[in-house]
Amino acid sequence: DAKTTQPTSMDCAEGRAANLPCNHSTISGNEYVYWYRQIHSQGPQYIIHGLKNNETNEMASLIITEDRKSSTLILPHATLRDTAVYYCIGGLGAGGTSYGKLTFGQGTILTVHP
Amino acid sequence: NAGVTQTPKFQVLKTGQSMTLQCAQDMNHEYMSWYRQDPGMGLRLIHYSVGAGITDQGEVPNGYNVSRSTTEDFPLRLLSAAPSQTSVYFCASSYSSLTNTEAFFGQGTRLTVV
Repeated sequence: DAKTTQPTSMDCAEGRAANLPCNHSTISGNEYVYWYRQIHSQGPQYIIHGLKNNETNEMASLIITEDRKSSTLILPHATLRDTAVYYCIGGLGAGGTSYGKLTFGQGTILTVHP
Repeated sequence: NAGVTQTPKFQVLKTGQSMTLQCAQDMNHEYMSWYRQDPGMGLRLIHYSVGAGITDQGEVPNGYNVSRSTTEDFPLRLLSAAPSQTSVYFCASSYSSLTNTEAFFGQGTRLTVV
């Protein structure tokens, strides 16, 4: 699995966009990038994933660089409820070869303030 | 739709006692896994299963046993509890897909070993 590097913590003002970076320089061609978040010690929650194209869903956008060595998770209008630890997880194989296993790093603590 | 259900939510054990943490999912997922999360840390994989009757070890399997007799259930057994096993335990499930292995997590079991 690819090693990922994230900043330890970030702040964001409520209503502004939160941009969370992740470096995954060792990711290989068929490996996806997943983002999860964990709110106040609850179980982690899936946010979004991508392979090489940018992705958007109702929660967030994922921007992956052309060389796939890094990505940015964007929460377009952060709210206080988005305060959480955000995990970038790389290296999950396509076709179910990861068998559901996830390798969590330390993540980024995002604090959204009024 | 219950998703992934873990019981109990809280447990206190004495050193040397044994117990089973229960995990059940109602989404017919093939893959299930157990993680532990120590304070200030990311989740670490204990054991995982790719289907009924098939289990394998993760990163930190020592002191834990698992079995998977049905698709729905994946219990985690602590054989002889130790203070080092004080942690929050999360169960997760996911289905095999060519493009998406999103994992669904339970709300966790907070275990204290005294």
